[in-house]
Amino acid sequence: DQQVKQNSPSLSVQEGRISILNCDYTNSMFDYFLWYKKYPAEGPTFLISISSIKDKNEDGRFTVFLNKSAKHLSLHIVPSQPGDSAVYFCAARAITQGGSEKLVFGKGTKLTVNP
Amino acid sequence: EPEVTQTPSHQVTQMGQEVILRCVPISNHLYFYWYRQILGQKVEFLVSFYNNEISEKSEIFDDQFSVERPDGSNFTLKIRSTKLEDSAMYFCASSEGLETDTQYFGPGTRLTVL
Repeated sequence: DQQVKQNSPSLSVQEGRISILNCDYTNSMFDYFLWYKKYPAEGPTFLISISSIKDKNEDGRFTVFLNKSAKHLSLHIVPSQPGDSAVYFCAARAITQGGSEKLVFGKGTKLTVNP
Repeated sequence: EPEVTQTPSHQVTQMGQEVILRCVPISNHLYFYWYRQILGQKVEFLVSFYNNEISEKSEIFDDQFSVERPDGSNFTLKIRSTKLEDSAMYFCASSEGLETDTQYFGPGTRLTVL
């Protein structure tokens, strides 16, 4: 079951350049998408989100783009900093049959920003 | 800034033993979740909890698992008889509400079953 896919397990960029992390999904019922950042031995930290009714959300150096027709979203980090080095998870929200919600995660992309 | 806390950070147990993982969600949050991540795999949803009852559970959450909110602050995950394949990072999360409210995660408990 790979409803949320992050096809690049790793990405390496130079400090100051743009980092683009990609995510694809298959379930058209997802209505909300989130990006989490995770350092080793820590829990996922919320980064930025986007509702399915929007196509872009920006917060400082982080921008998330959503292309609903392609079922694709991306996270842009510009400029990238060495402290951004972490694993980035794409997550999609699904409303469950019980009226609750759950997050469906991708496998993550390990970003390394080189000084 | 409020945060979700979890204890212990690492739990080692023998196969067949019971373990209880503890979480303190953010104080004004109403929805609580457990997820797990087996090494090298995805973060997977286990269960959601609201108003003192389970809202949803995954196929992973079988009869060996249970959750409880024993008081106004703690949220626990119990595994009654641990198996080797239960070894994973277990993350607790909470959110203020549904719709566009974000789930905030704790630092996780690493469970090792020997």
